Amino acid sequence: NAGVTQTPKFQVLKTGQSMTLQCAQDMNHEYMSWYRQDPGMGLRLIHYSVGAGITDQGEVPNGYNVSRSTTEDFPLRLLSAAPSQTSVYFCASSYRASGGAYEQYFGPGTRLTVT
Amino acid sequence: AQKVTQAQTEISVVEKEDVTLDCVYETRDTTYYLFWYKQPPSGELVFLIRRNSFDEQNEISGRYSWNFQKSTSSFNFTITASQVVDSAVYFCALSGSSNTGKLIFGQGTTLQVKP
Repeated sequence: NAGVTQTPKFQVLKTGQSMTLQCAQDMNHEYMSWYRQDPGMGLRLIHYSVGAGITDQGEVPNGYNVSRSTTEDFPLRLLSAAPSQTSVYFCASSYRASGGAYEQYFGPGTRLTVT
Repeated sequence: AQKVTQAQTEISVVEKEDVTLDCVYETRDTTYYLFWYKQPPSGELVFLIRRNSFDEQNEISGRYSWNFQKSTSSFNFTITASQVVDSAVYFCALSGSSNTGKLIFGQGTTLQVKP
């Protein structure tokens, strides 16, 4: 299993450009989510999905769109990049393990710089 | 609302010293889960431990130990005889009983272990 994969690893955008961060998992997990990591703020949830065709907003959704057409893929779209979106983006997939907790698997991250 | 606070932004110790990383959480859920993750300089997130709210047993894994106290809403992490390889950012995280895989992260504590 490749686990959770993210592409690209690094990206530089100019203000106003759009792009899609790709995320894929091959573990057949129902749940997938996107987080952004900023210095001193930990990781914050952007959007999440509980299954194909179902998405919902997290803590910081503005400026981002998601869709989930398959179980495997959960792309994150930046509609019009802004310098405030400079961050490291992590994708995660999870499943409900015995005992009720969710086992989270994180991708390696995408470092995005918006100039 | 759920919240995780890691009051220690940065800690610096000399190798072989013991160090404790503090984590205080807030939640109204009666069932919840607490996590610790390590983020080494390479950037990936490494899962360390998960603790269920109904299991207050402390846990030891090699040089790592965790102290969970519901009475003070704390889940502290101790590294005994620290090593340079322990240098990393450490995150405490919380998920509620109906979290569908969503994690609430603390701000992170940067640990520097000097030789």
